[in-house]
Amino acid sequence: QKEVEQNSGPLSVPEGAIASLNCTYSDRGSQSFFWYRQYSGKSPELIMFIYSNGDKEDGRFTAQLNKASQYVSLLIRDSQPSDSATYLCAARMDSSYKLIFGSGTRLLVRP
Amino acid sequence: DTGVSQDPRHKITKRGQNVTFRCDPISEHNRLYWYRQTLGQGPEFLTYFQNEAQLEKSRLLSDRFSAERPKGSFSTLEIQRTEQGDSAMYLCASSLVEQLGYGYTFGSGTRLTVV
Repeated sequence: QKEVEQNSGPLSVPEGAIASLNCTYSDRGSQSFFWYRQYSGKSPELIMFIYSNGDKEDGRFTAQLNKASQYVSLLIRDSQPSDSATYLCAARMDSSYKLIFGSGTRLLVRP
Repeated sequence: DTGVSQDPRHKITKRGQNVTFRCDPISEHNRLYWYRQTLGQGPEFLTYFQNEAQLEKSRLLSDRFSAERPKGSFSTLEIQRTEQGDSAMYLCASSLVEQLGYGYTFGSGTRLTVV
């Protein structure tokens, strides 16, 4: 079992819709969670992080964390074609500080 | 602050040759990480440094791989006797350990092709 799991997609949504990206993790010692966006041929860029149960909003993005279910999600409201990219979920244990990444979910926003 | 810089951007080498990559982190960041990414996969952890100390190495990092950060600033990653399976994007990232939620800032990566 991989430590951080994501559906590879592609997840296809129409422009203006809400895109919902999901991630599960296996290690209960994971404390902080990160969402990165990666355009094809580019390096990952940080979108959001979350470490408390519940929701965290930043503009069109909302991260959700449920530690009991070991589940993290990213909602993108009013999706734009420019949001089309691979979204990487990562988990970090405070004992290590390294990030463990999932394989990513490819999002396609149709105009 | 010019971000994380990696050099070279691309490297093509023949199987069996040695290659070395360089990473210059964001100047005030005290942690530096190396990852490897292949097509369709997420970044895979290789090793990290806090200042000049190498604190963790992945079990996936064979003895052909070595990394250094001699003065706690830039870092080098060397691969000896390259194999075709080493072909990947090698990503460097840095962070400031005191800042809980900042995650990493990645460089643009070095794409290695072993022929």
